Amino acid sequence: QVQLQESGPGLVKPSETLSLTCTVSGGSVSSSSYYWSWIRQPPGEGLEWIGYMSYSGSTNYNPSLKSRVTISVDTSKNQFSLKLSSVTAADTAVYYCARRPCTNGVCYFDYWGQGTLVTVSS
Amino acid sequence: QSVLTQPPSASGTPGQRVTISCSGSSSNIGSNSVNWYHQLPGTAPKLLIYSNNQRPSGVPDRFSGSKSGTSASLAISGLQSEDEADYYCAAWDDSLNGHVVFGGGTKLTVL
Repeated sequence: QVQLQESGPGLVKPSETLSLTCTVSGGSVSSSSYYWSWIRQPPGEGLEWIGYMSYSGSTNYNPSLKSRVTISVDTSKNQFSLKLSSVTAADTAVYYCARRPCTNGVCYFDYWGQGTLVTVSS
Repeated sequence: QSVLTQPPSASGTPGQRVTISCSGSSSNIGSNSVNWYHQLPGTAPKLLIYSNNQRPSGVPDRFSGSKSGTSASLAISGLQSEDEADYYCAAWDDSLNGHVVFGGGTKLTVL
């Protein structure tokens, strides 16, 4: 059974960089056809896709966040990470990591972490 | 403002059939498949329907999805109290080098 678990600081100061890690168990981040993704949900609001890194190392980010986002994968630790720079209160949200398999053009998020709340405040 | 448009709320009584709509455009639903997720309060979203109308193993056949043109729908038949949750549609959008877009979510209340 694949499991994903987010970890990182729950409080980040404005203008600083938010850093989160997702540890994958029961599967490998090096497996082909998977795109390792981050999604967030502000309190009381809907879901927003942040971006992904593919098994081959390519990345794709939400156009509205692209200038501030970096997603990377550490195959030695079977983890992938999110960095979001220059945060403001608007970045306060529950952050989810998720696995996105893609086969023959069919892609979806099949496994999700439990989510971690990150609050941006001084 | 979400790229995909869903009604903010829906409701039904136990045993009823309810549908939730998801409206998009030619760059997303019109040219790519739609997925549906449901989210119970305080929990992570879970995959409900993928590729417009496919159910992952373990999802009851009370849940069904369809797509026509630039719109998609989720139908829930035999409504049960445990179906009370938030429901989100999602699709790939081909614009701006491609990205995933979600609907704003529909809160389903079982009366």
